[in-house]
Amino acid sequence: DAGVIQSPRHEVTEMGQEVTLRCKPISGHNSLFWYRQTMMRGLELLIYFNNNVPIDDSGMPEDRFSAKMPNASFSTLKIQPSEPRDSAVYFCASRRTGNEKLFFGSGTQLSVL
Amino acid sequence: AQSVTQPDIHITVSEGASLELRCNYSYGATPYLFWYVQSPGQGLQLLLKYFSGDTLVQGIKGFEAEFKRSQSSFNLRKPSVHWSDAAEYFCAVGVDDYKLSFGAGTTVTVRA
Repeated sequence: DAGVIQSPRHEVTEMGQEVTLRCKPISGHNSLFWYRQTMMRGLELLIYFNNNVPIDDSGMPEDRFSAKMPNASFSTLKIQPSEPRDSAVYFCASRRTGNEKLFFGSGTQLSVL
Repeated sequence: AQSVTQPDIHITVSEGASLELRCNYSYGATPYLFWYVQSPGQGLQLLLKYFSGDTLVQGIKGFEAEFKRSQSSFNLRKPSVHWSDAAEYFCAVGVDDYKLSFGAGTTVTVRA
């Protein structure tokens, strides 16, 4: 298995632009997570999907952030408009429901100038 | 609310020496406890986990951790460090079915 695949690996954009991060979970996994990692706040859970349905989005910082999971093999995290304080590494992770082991992608390094 | 504290931001250790990373948690019930490792440019990889039973847990890459309820600790240890162990290590507490609360991480540098 290729593991959790995230794209792009690096994204540099200007303030105000729309940013879309992509994630392909491991086949057969029905739970998907988006995390954000910063030096100041460490790892934070942004949103959790189960069977493509958002279960908990309480970690989404504000309305500029949105996440979708149109099918079991694809999820996006969108920031519109982006701001410099959104600069961070964004991780996607997946697992089978009931199996506690989370598999993480390699992350997307986002820099908003 | 639950919290996880990793008191050491950065640890430097000589290759072949032992390593211990500290983790303290605050949680009302018996938590699920995890240690993850993040190598540069990589995602997080699970090293080991504790749910119940034997309080000394063996993980991958020669790591082990001991759950001490009286001290609310879950420290990670390795008897002999290899250069490839240089990475960032995260302790995490599992809350409910899906929420993981992560510590701030400890960066490990291995010197020759």
